Amino acid sequence: QKEVEQNSGPLSVPEGAIASLNCTYSDRGSQSFFWYRQYSGKSPELIMFIYSNGDKEDGRFTAQLNKASQYVSLLIRDSQPSDSATYLCAVNSGGSNYKLTFGKGTLLTVNP
Amino acid sequence: NAGVMQNPRHLVRRRGQEARLRCSPMKGHSHVYWYRQLPEEGLKFMVYLQKENIIDESGMPKERFSAEFPKEGPSILRIQQVVRGDSAAYFCASSPPGQGAKNIQYFGAGTRLSVL
Repeated sequence: QKEVEQNSGPLSVPEGAIASLNCTYSDRGSQSFFWYRQYSGKSPELIMFIYSNGDKEDGRFTAQLNKASQYVSLLIRDSQPSDSATYLCAVNSGGSNYKLTFGKGTLLTVNP
Repeated sequence: NAGVMQNPRHLVRRRGQEARLRCSPMKGHSHVYWYRQLPEEGLKFMVYLQKENIIDESGMPKERFSAEFPKEGPSILRIQQVVRGDSAAYFCASSPPGQGAKNIQYFGAGTRLSVL
């Protein structure tokens, strides 16, 4: 059973701080890694996609991938109350480029 | 450019009834995926379809569940003889063809099915 593990949280940070979200995965064959943000009762929204080892930055978001350690993280700089949501880590799995395996998500709360 | 459209947003069924969930992919997207999200659980892959073809249905229960993506019209996820355990949020996602390993899926707003 290929799995994706995330701390369920809740993770609480003050406004303006850096939020760090972590994810580990079991399928060494995984090649593509995604972070989605999901507000309560809403659809998952893609935040970041990373494919290569190292860091990828997009605005206030940085994704970090370490395939040797099977670890992917998401950093949110200058956290805002509007960032409060559940963050889902997803990994392609089963040797396919389409079957995403999701973690259960980490609930982030940014306090004003 | 409209996103992935799902309807209905909320669906209430009694045990034993049929549920039909619809999904229209984003313009230019020919690949459709269905996921189920149970309370307190992560999204689980159910099925991957292209026009008129089921590519992978390994995540779909063998009984009562079926999916189609006809040449014309939306993709349909059909649940026959619903049971209370079918209560969940069902999300549809779509992607364009030819993305390879960088296959980014865009999600619809979901259908929340409640079985009484």
